[in-house]
Amino acid sequence: RKEVEQDPGPFNVPEGATVAFNCTYSNSASQSFFWYRQDCRKEPKLLMSVYSSGNEDGRFTAQLNRASQYISLLIRDSKLSDSATYLCVVASNTGKLIFGQGTTLQVKP
Amino acid sequence: NAGVTQTPKFQVLKTGQSMTLQCAQDMNHNSMYWYRQDPGMGLRLIYYSASEGTTDKGEVPNGYNVSRLNKREFSLRLESAAPSQTSVYFCASINAYEQYFGPGTRLTVT
Repeated sequence: RKEVEQDPGPFNVPEGATVAFNCTYSNSASQSFFWYRQDCRKEPKLLMSVYSSGNEDGRFTAQLNRASQYISLLIRDSKLSDSATYLCVVASNTGKLIFGQGTTLQVKP
Repeated sequence: NAGVTQTPKFQVLKTGQSMTLQCAQDMNHNSMYWYRQDPGMGLRLIYYSASEGTTDKGEVPNGYNVSRLNKREFSLRLESAAPSQTSVYFCASINAYEQYFGPGTRLTVT
């Protein structure tokens, strides 16, 4: 079983839709959680950290459920420019970052 | 402030050839990482360096060596390239838990 698992998609949604991605992790001692965004043929970039109480950044909301060992990313009012691959990242208790394989989002006009 | 730079951007090698991928960062970060990214596999850690003078194996170190030349530079060497090493290679440096990635090297081994 992979340490961090994501549904690879693709998720195809119309502009303006709300879309949610989940990610599960296997190490209950994991310390920190993040979502990264990767555009086609580009390097990953940090989108947002995920805090225990949940956090929001504009149209993006991230949540953590430690009991069930999953994190989620909700995107409201999708834009064409949101089309990308979203990587779930978990920091282990040793400090190493473990990346999920990514979920691809395509927003259509 | 260039962030993380990598050279070359593209490379084609024949099986058995060797090469070194270069990475440099100008953000004064202690930790640097090398990943490879393959379709359906996500990013996998090859080697990392927590500080100047130290290196450690990651998830997939076989077939690679690294050198942390100084605080700025962290190179990845393929001594005898194999087709299984065809991949996109990313170097990253880290500040707290935020990783800053270079633009990647697309390597094809024929």
